[in-house]
Amino acid sequence: AQSVAQPEDQVNVAEGNPLTVKCTYSVSGNPYLFWYVQYPNRGLQFLLKYITGDNLVKGSYGFEAEFNKSQTSFHLKKPSALVSDSALYFCAVRDLGKSTFGDGTTLTVKP
Amino acid sequence: NAGVTQTPKFRVLKTGQSMTLLCAQDMNHEYMYWYRQDPGMGLRLIHYSVGEGTTAKGEVPDGYNVSRLKKQNFLLGLESAAPSQTSVYFCASTERVDYSNQPQHFGDGTRLSIL
Repeated sequence: AQSVAQPEDQVNVAEGNPLTVKCTYSVSGNPYLFWYVQYPNRGLQFLLKYITGDNLVKGSYGFEAEFNKSQTSFHLKKPSALVSDSALYFCAVRDLGKSTFGDGTTLTVKP
Repeated sequence: NAGVTQTPKFRVLKTGQSMTLLCAQDMNHEYMYWYRQDPGMGLRLIHYSVGEGTTAKGEVPDGYNVSRLKKQNFLLGLESAAPSQTSVYFCASTERVDYSNQPQHFGDGTRLSIL
């Protein structure tokens, strides 16, 4: 069975500072990993994915994620946070057409 | 392209009533999914479909039924609504080609309250 853990319910950062949202995963085969963002009263929007290859994946809106196989982690990062990045972020692992989502991390970026 | 469209956006039901949530996608995707989102619990898979005429149970299927009569539509039914089914329901779709590495496309949700 596959699983995802997002250890932080909430992450607070100041605008302009770097941000990290953590995710660890468990999967029996090759990991297909995704990050999604959800704004209030909207559905989830795809940010980036790791399938294979480079451990640093670049995605939308300046976000990137670092895949670490030995630590089974896939942390979301951004060098300089914006107030508009404030949202709910979900990590997901995908296998055989089905996704398992983490419980989500609320990111708040303060001016 | 509209992407994934869910109707209705909001609904209030009384315990025991029935209703159907509609999901429509215009991307010719093979795979479609229904999730529920509850505070602090992420998204939980209710039912899914790998193609027209097929459905399968997900993680929390009890109390729900689904149908996929047309490729572009995926219906979620509540036969006898219960307060525990108060939630936000999301539909999603995915391309079939090498389906595990494709992102899901989500609708904006249906907010359902059962009194």
